Amino acid sequence: AQSVTQPDIHITVSEGASLELRCNYSYGATPYLFWYVQSPGQGLQLLLKYFSGDTLVQGIKGFEAEFKRSQSSFNLRKPSVHWSDAAEYFCAVGARTNAGKSTFGDGTTLTVKP
Amino acid sequence: DVKVTQSSRYLVKRTGEKVFLECVQDMDHENMFWYRQDPGLGLRLIYFSYDVKMKEKGDIPEGYSVSREKKERFSLILESASTNQTSMYLCASSPGAVDKLFFGSGTQLSVL
Repeated sequence: AQSVTQPDIHITVSEGASLELRCNYSYGATPYLFWYVQSPGQGLQLLLKYFSGDTLVQGIKGFEAEFKRSQSSFNLRKPSVHWSDAAEYFCAVGARTNAGKSTFGDGTTLTVKP
Repeated sequence: DVKVTQSSRYLVKRTGEKVFLECVQDMDHENMFWYRQDPGLGLRLIYFSYDVKMKEKGDIPEGYSVSREKKERFSLILESASTNQTSMYLCASSPGAVDKLFFGSGTQLSVL
């Protein structure tokens, strides 16, 4: 069965600083990988996804993520954080054999200091 | 713009009541999902459906059932609500096999 671990429950960064959110997955083959963001009181919105090809994936709002098969990781990065990036971030893995069934990590809450 | 609409933003029910959570998508998506979200536990899949009248159990189906009579509508049913079903419920849809999910804004259900 697939699983996702987000080791950091809560991260605080200063506005303008760089950001890296960690995600490790467990899956027997090449997975589909996603990062979603959830603002308070809202549903989740897709930031980016990896299906195949280039292991560095660009997403919306200036985010990027890198798939590293050897480390079973898919870390999310942003070079300069804005106050509006404060939210909860979820990494998810989808099995290629299932009809869209994704497994989510427990989430990382990002706080941005002024 | 794509839209997934959940009928209620907040819902308060009593233990033992039958509860219906409704979700409608306007994107003609094949797949629809119900997740529950609890602090520290992320999102857990309750049920999903990849076609009308088709359903599959997710990771935590106990105490829940679903109905998909029309492609655009996916209902989650709590046959006899219990306090441990107090949670945020998120509906999502996707166009095909393992594609990105489009989420509704969620229903915060409190069972007293």
